[in-house]
Amino acid sequence: GESVGLHLPTLSVQEGDNSIINCAYSNSASDYFIWYKQESGKGPQFIIDIRSNMDKRQGQRVTVLLNKTVKHLSLQIAATQPGDSAVYFCAENAGSARQLTFGSGTQLTVLP
Amino acid sequence: DAGVIQSPRHEVTEMGQEVTLRCKPISGHNSLFWYRQTMMRGLELLIYFNNNVPIDDSGMPEDRFSAKMPNASFSTLKIQPSEPRDSAVYFCASSLLGLAGQTGELFFGEGSRLTVL
Repeated sequence: GESVGLHLPTLSVQEGDNSIINCAYSNSASDYFIWYKQESGKGPQFIIDIRSNMDKRQGQRVTVLLNKTVKHLSLQIAATQPGDSAVYFCAENAGSARQLTFGSGTQLTVLP
Repeated sequence: DAGVIQSPRHEVTEMGQEVTLRCKPISGHNSLFWYRQTMMRGLELLIYFNNNVPIDDSGMPEDRFSAKMPNASFSTLKIQPSEPRDSAVYFCASSLLGLAGQTGELFFGEGSRLTVL
């Protein structure tokens, strides 16, 4: 079946470096995508979203890129900080009356 | 706003016992979701409600699971009887569904960690 998946289950970066977390999706009907951050012992927290009529969206220190041609989504975190250490999930929504489908998550570890 | 509130935060019970998890969504949100999270299966949607009405319960594992939303500010997820394989973190989330039913940002609670011995 169609699903959302992540290329890398774990990612370690040095503090201050930029992080890139990737996500592949297979449902070409998906038109809305969200990145969530989940810290240990907490619920997922919204980071940034993007609709399919855009290919880039920027937030504070984060940028989401969407490549519909290859069905690829990425989250870029600038100047990664220790507080960015968490599991990051991408999620897709394929349209009306549908729920978000979450990927398996990537563990980001920020090294001192 | 206090966000989505779940209780209990932790529950340890024995196999066969009834478990009830509770959720208070964010005031004004019209949809509520129950998710289960495990290492093996990640985040799985169990059921979601729109305007207190169950819309999609296809994710509910089996008849031992039931969910209710008697009003806009309260929902329960019940497992009876519980089994060790039900051990997981159960999240409640709320959202504002658009007029066309499109899902926007989900606001998650802190989760209820269930351990069934």
